[in-house]
Amino acid sequence: DVKVTQSSRYLVKRTGEKVFLECVQDMDHENMFWYRQDPGLGLRLIYFSYDVKMKEKGDIPEGYSVSREKKERFSLILESASTNQTSMYLCASSLPRRDTQYFGPGTRLTVL
Amino acid sequence: GIQVEQSPPDLILQEGANSTLRCNFSDSVNNLQWFHQNPWGQLINLFYIPSGTKQNGRLSATTVATERYSLLYISSSQTTDSGVYFCAVDPRNRDDKIIFGKGTRLHILP
Repeated sequence: DVKVTQSSRYLVKRTGEKVFLECVQDMDHENMFWYRQDPGLGLRLIYFSYDVKMKEKGDIPEGYSVSREKKERFSLILESASTNQTSMYLCASSLPRRDTQYFGPGTRLTVL
Repeated sequence: GIQVEQSPPDLILQEGANSTLRCNFSDSVNNLQWFHQNPWGQLINLFYIPSGTKQNGRLSATTVATERYSLLYISSSQTTDSGVYFCAVDPRNRDDKIIFGKGTRLHILP
């Protein structure tokens, strides 16, 4: 079974803090994704990585950066957290060439 | 860009009822997936279905790519079917970056 894990289920941070969200997958997948989910808006893609050290902006990259130093790990970074980044963050992984995506359990981030 | 619309947005049914969820998309796609998000937030892939019909137990899905829609059928609903159902499409020019609809929230009453 594919397993995608995320470092925290719940996280509370203050405005201006630097925040790291970690995602690890154990299936040797090339592709990894970060989404945020907000009520009424569905899931929106923040960043995508198709290989180690490779990244592409998704639909809403502003205010975020990512790091992929190892194939199994994809980190989402909020350089200076703001209240409008309060959301549910979901990580996913997949094989390349349009395979199904496997999701982690999500991190619910609150920025005060 | 491509638009993905799901209907209905909300659905409340009694246990044992059948339901049909619809996903319309505005342009050609390479594939389409259906996901279920349980009340704890976990997203599970149900079907990977660019065209045709697939069945898995009480669930089945049909995608008619030429007419740009997909349907998810749930028969004999159970309370564990509650949650949000998303369809997601892979547009032809986005190379693995899928786009999600806003979901259908299903609530099955005991």
